[in-house]
Amino acid sequence: EAGVAQSPRYKIIEKRQSVAFWCNPISGHATLYWYQQILGQGPKLLIQFQNNGVVDDSQLPKDRFSAERLKGVDSTLKIQPAKLEDSAVYLCASSPGLVYTGELFFGEGSRLTVL
Amino acid sequence: AQSVTQLDSHVSVSEGTPVLLRCNYSSSYSPSLFWYVQHPNKGLQLLLKYTSAATLVKGINGFEAEFKKSETSFHLTKPSAHMSDAAEYFCVVSGTTGNQFYFGTGTSLTVIP
Repeated sequence: EAGVAQSPRYKIIEKRQSVAFWCNPISGHATLYWYQQILGQGPKLLIQFQNNGVVDDSQLPKDRFSAERLKGVDSTLKIQPAKLEDSAVYLCASSPGLVYTGELFFGEGSRLTVL
Repeated sequence: AQSVTQLDSHVSVSEGTPVLLRCNYSSSYSPSLFWYVQHPNKGLQLLLKYTSAATLVKGINGFEAEFKKSETSFHLTKPSAHMSDAAEYFCVVSGTTGNQFYFGTGTSLTVIP
């Protein structure tokens, strides 16, 4: 079974530039998550999708971050314009469904450095 | 609200000695609890999970954890550390819907040869 795929693995940009990250979850997984992991901290949920609908985006900085999952499969997270404090690893995870208390499956993450 | 507190940011043990990584949780109901491991430049991997069945949970690579409701704890243990155990470990609690997950700040485990 293929795992969660993310790209790019690494990205370096100047502040005020834009960047986009892509995630393809495990086939058939209805729930998709984007987490932000700043160095030395635990992952923080940015947004959670159930199919192509948003379940929770309360911690997404909506003035600069956006995310979509148009066909309920893969997802894109965009930052525009980037700030220095956005330097982090962006983790995508998926799970089979909304009423599920089991495992999250993570991709390897996309490491963003903002200069 | 649900939260977890990992009591140690760094733990160092010698190879072959026991490992103890401490986690306390806060929840207004009976939670599901998890331990995840993150090796450098790798994605997070589930070690074990507690979902209201047996309070002593066994996971992969010889790790286990015990759910203690009276102490609101879910500490991770391993009898004998191996060099390959060096990694970052996260304690995680589920939210009220069961499909929301809240991470602790992590414990970095160093294994000394």
